[in-house]
Formats: sequence, C-alpha cells, structure tokens
Amino acid sequence: GAVVSQHPSRVICKSGTSVKIECRSLDFQATTMFWYRQFPKQSLMLMATSNEGSKATYEQGVEKDKFLINHASLTLSTLTVTSAHPEDSSFYICSAYITDTQYFGPGTRLTVL
Amino acid sequence: GENVEQHPSTLSVQEGDSAVIKCTYSDSASNYFPWYKQELGKRPQLIIDIRSNVGEKKDQRIAVTLNKTAKHFSLHITETQPEDSAVYFCAARNSGGYQKVTFGTGTKLQVIP
Repeated sequence: GAVVSQHPSRVICKSGTSVKIECRSLDFQATTMFWYRQFPKQSLMLMATSNEGSKATYEQGVEKDKFLINHASLTLSTLTVTSAHPEDSSFYICSAYITDTQYFGPGTRLTVL
Repeated sequence: GENVEQHPSTLSVQEGDSAVIKCTYSDSASNYFPWYKQELGKRPQLIIDIRSNVGEKKDQRIAVTLNKTAKHFSLHITETQPEDSAVYFCAARNSGGYQKVTFGTGTKLQVIP
C-alpha cells in the first residue's frame, strides 16, 4: 500500500494566490523528505530537500522565497507555492525513504489560471 | 553535480520483442541506480534497481546491467507486453548523506499489440 500521501491531488487556483501542498509519511517517521517538480513530458527535477526541524535545502535556481517548505513534524512536510503564476503549473511530487528505498507520493497537479 | 543522460527518448516495439534503454552518469561517487516506470498522471514506481557492487540483476522479464568503469547502465525488458507501455526513468543516487537522486530524461516506451 501507499506509504507516502499527498494532499490535495489536484488544485486549480488564480494567478497571485498561494497554494499549500501536504506530504505525509504513513506509519513511519521521515526526517528528510524531497520535493520534485515535473513539467509535462519532462523528467522529475528535485526542487528541495526538506529537513525536520531545520531549514530546507534548495536546488540551484529554485527560489526559496517562492517555494516555502515547512517540515514541522516527523511525518509532515508542506510546500507552499506563494504568489503562483501560470508558469508554476506543474506536477509536484514528494518522496521519503524507508531505510534504503525511496517512496513517492501520488503527486499534486497544480494549475494556475 | 550528477548528470544522467538517457536514450532513446521514445521507443516503439512490437509485442513480444525486447526493449533496451540506456543511461550514462557522470559522478563516479554514485552507487545506486534505480529504474522507475511512470504511467500518465501517476507517481513513479520502482521496477528494479542495482548497486555499484553488482554488474547485473534480473527480475522476471526485466534486467539491468551496470558498467561502473564506463559509467553506464541499461534496462532490458524481454517479451514486452502492451501493459509495459509507459515512461521509464533511470536515476543515479548521490552517495552523500541526503540520498539525493538525479533522474534521467525519460524514455516513452510504446508496445504495439
């Protein structure tokens, strides 16, 4: 069964608004979670590494003030897309490890109008 | 950082034939190479993986080979079936503490009945 969940699965918002996406580890603790973005017909690109109790580590070119990450507990990381614009429309996927195996969430389809 | 290249970008095969997807990586410190299958709108699913201390691994119709010296690895699917149609991604994992994974660009496999 699924070990990582995401909510919502799909969200449509107006340009300029903020959207929060939740990533939860089910029945296990994840001190580290990863946030990926996938544009249509493209690969998964790592955006940031979310660390419980400390600041996230962002990949080069990802604006930390636009993509706010909060990993406040051992089972929940949130990604907030602030002042979303149409170019932020994408498939956002989180992941976490159980020992050596990476598990992905089901993804969140964000559409910014 | 790590750079993973993947070929071909699209692949069409007749049902029952074999399919081969090839990847190269740049970071000699990478030591874990997973392969994912992603169906449209869904999360990547791990189908097979190989570690740097092994040259080949097989699981039923799927096999992966690794050449550490040349820094390339390949996915082999035999006796392809229509349900194998999907996008396949190779990946390489950084041996650093955060287990960051770099994905290849993806191969769209179409199995023609």
